[in-house]
Amino acid sequence: DAGITQSPRYKITETGRQVTLMCHQTWSHSYMFWYRQDLGHGLRLIYYSAAADITDKGEVPDGYVVSRSKTENFPLTLESATRSQTSVYFCASRETGGGGELFFGEGSRLTVL
Amino acid sequence: GQQLNQSPQSMFIQEGEDVSMNCTSSSIFNTWLWYKQDPGEGPVLLIALYKAGELTSNGRLTAQFGITRKDSFLNISASIPSDVGIYFCAGQRNAGCPSYGKLTFGQGTILTVHP
Repeated sequence: DAGITQSPRYKITETGRQVTLMCHQTWSHSYMFWYRQDLGHGLRLIYYSAAADITDKGEVPDGYVVSRSKTENFPLTLESATRSQTSVYFCASRETGGGGELFFGEGSRLTVL
Repeated sequence: GQQLNQSPQSMFIQEGEDVSMNCTSSSIFNTWLWYKQDPGEGPVLLIALYKAGELTSNGRLTAQFGITRKDSFLNISASIPSDVGIYFCAGQRNAGCPSYGKLTFGQGTILTVHP
């Protein structure tokens, strides 16, 4: 009954490698989001999804790929990691309509060497 | 992309002091939200505001939705050590707007409370 879970929590990889961050939610929320958090920039939206098989770019989508074949899962892939993608990544979900409240996962800290 | 300007960037206060932070935008938002992030965790909603001019309290926290719909304020009274963390404002536009469904976040205010 964790709600929204992310894995891995910590990942170290090398430049050029492919990395996938997983996100799973148990609420059947329609919307899911990926944000990255960097000092001085707050939370910036990478990609979001309004429903299964519907995804759209956010503010900083370059270098990332998402998919949403099932409502509950929203993986984020870095196809060829770069040092600038070192960050803390947060997955979030919300209901359709409602007051806009997002429910966040605990974050995935990614370091690209 | 659309940015929210949040200030101050950081605050160092003594336990018991009051805290104020604010968020401004060059464009209108129809919902304002305030989140808190504890170290090592994801942000958690503190207060949501849905109407211009609205003033809402949640314990020692009080937030206001600016009358112009371009700003919001968060006040914390009588701070305690567990108030430490990063506070984010976020705005959402109405249904019908291209960016509906997405939140735009401020840069965050890092709060440190000295016992």
